[in-house]
Amino acid sequence: DGGITQSPKYLFRKEGQNVTLSCEQNLNHDAMYWYRQDPGQGLRLIYYSQIVNDFQKGDIAEGYSVSREKKESFPLTVTSAQKNPTAFYLCASSILRTMGGPNTGELFFGEGSRLTVL
Amino acid sequence: GESVGLHLPTLSVQEGDNSIINCAYSNSASDYFIWYKQESGKGPQFIIDIRSNMDKRQGQRVTVLLNKTVKHLSLQIAATQPGDSAVYFCAEKGWLTSGSRLTFGEGTQLTVNP
Repeated sequence: DGGITQSPKYLFRKEGQNVTLSCEQNLNHDAMYWYRQDPGQGLRLIYYSQIVNDFQKGDIAEGYSVSREKKESFPLTVTSAQKNPTAFYLCASSILRTMGGPNTGELFFGEGSRLTVL
Repeated sequence: GESVGLHLPTLSVQEGDNSIINCAYSNSASDYFIWYKQESGKGPQFIIDIRSNMDKRQGQRVTVLLNKTVKHLSLQIAATQPGDSAVYFCAEKGWLTSGSRLTFGEGTQLTVNP
């Protein structure tokens, strides 16, 4: 089955530690995204990538880093510089939208990773 | 039942009633809109989308209405069922302003009472 797999589903971290969240997709999508969701709130974009070896900051990139060495993979590192890292992290992918093209670029989401800082 | 989305983040309805969830967007250049459903502890799932050259689109038990004049989007759910209980997000995208990025609204928590 095609889809997006995030791991781990739950993660606990001590203050001062870096952690990396995994996101893998086998949908052959060009674009991948990381969102953060806090309780009772919407989704905020951390980073996104439209092509291998390239990525752009979203609205809340401070304290996070990403890499896109393979089309299928877009890991997110939550660094010790992130002041309030406890949250639900969602990875998504989409066909890269082209101007005037038929594809609308709907996002397909993974099941999320819940990070708790102790 | 009806919500005002950003200003009333919760909506409670009786099973069998129709639900209307509203969303106001700010970017007049947005040309594509999506509604997502998110159940507790899970990732959002696509419900229905609409392009800006349409005013209305229907799916199974769901209808999306788009009013570009007032930048307003609504999701109507017919005969609401307990399984419809979730948070519903609207999202918008504009090619010229955001390329492949989706901007999400704050979400509305729908609770269906048996």
